[in-house]
Amino acid sequence: DSGVTQTPKHLITATGQRVTLRCSPRSGDLSVYWYQQSLDQGLQFLIQYYNGEERAKGNILERFSAQQFPDLHSELNLSSLELGDSALYFCASSEGVGDNQPQHFGDGTRLSIL
Amino acid sequence: AQSVAQPEDQVNVAEGNPLTVKCTYSVSGNPYLFWYVQYPNRGLQFLLKYITGDNLVKGSYGFEAEFNKSQTSFHLKKPSALVSDSALYFCAVRDTYAGAGSYQLTFGKGTKLSVIP
Repeated sequence: DSGVTQTPKHLITATGQRVTLRCSPRSGDLSVYWYQQSLDQGLQFLIQYYNGEERAKGNILERFSAQQFPDLHSELNLSSLELGDSALYFCASSEGVGDNQPQHFGDGTRLSIL
Repeated sequence: AQSVAQPEDQVNVAEGNPLTVKCTYSVSGNPYLFWYVQYPNRGLQFLLKYITGDNLVKGSYGFEAEFNKSQTSFHLKKPSALVSDSALYFCAVRDTYAGAGSYQLTFGKGTKLSVIP
């Protein structure tokens, strides 16, 4: 058990809809990362938050946004969903800004767009 | 820009035989290197990392990896494979060069390891 909790485990919705994915990091970890995993693109970094502040952005679409709350949990919001957004979304956490420390991954949210 | 390559999509090995999963990287400065394993329907699990020092790094579940700066490689190895080692393995790199501008990890595409009984 990594200590990172993601909810829900599965999400099925339709094109054009909006969903929110939730992540609780490991106790004591200040950084939260979001990744998208798909068969064709592999594991793509989306965004990182450190202690409530956005730290780095990767390949995140403008339709997607995230935030980290004072209790350090994070939410990833996906809007105007398209079929191509179907993927596994992972949250990971680490103690600091992510220098030489490993990231600890949750078990992901599988998003299916119908 | 930092990058990592896992040249083999799949590796098959017989149980009890040694296994190697290959990884090469490209960075401007010195690398931080990581190996992760992913089992079906699970998140990635950290196996081991190279930051500095001894080129041979030992990790979880009997895995080890050898850092080779001249070949820019960080191959994952295990002396005797188990059926339970069958999973997807990811190599990741971070460039420590100050001008790299990012603390982010770049992951390889993954290598599917199948250990045959």
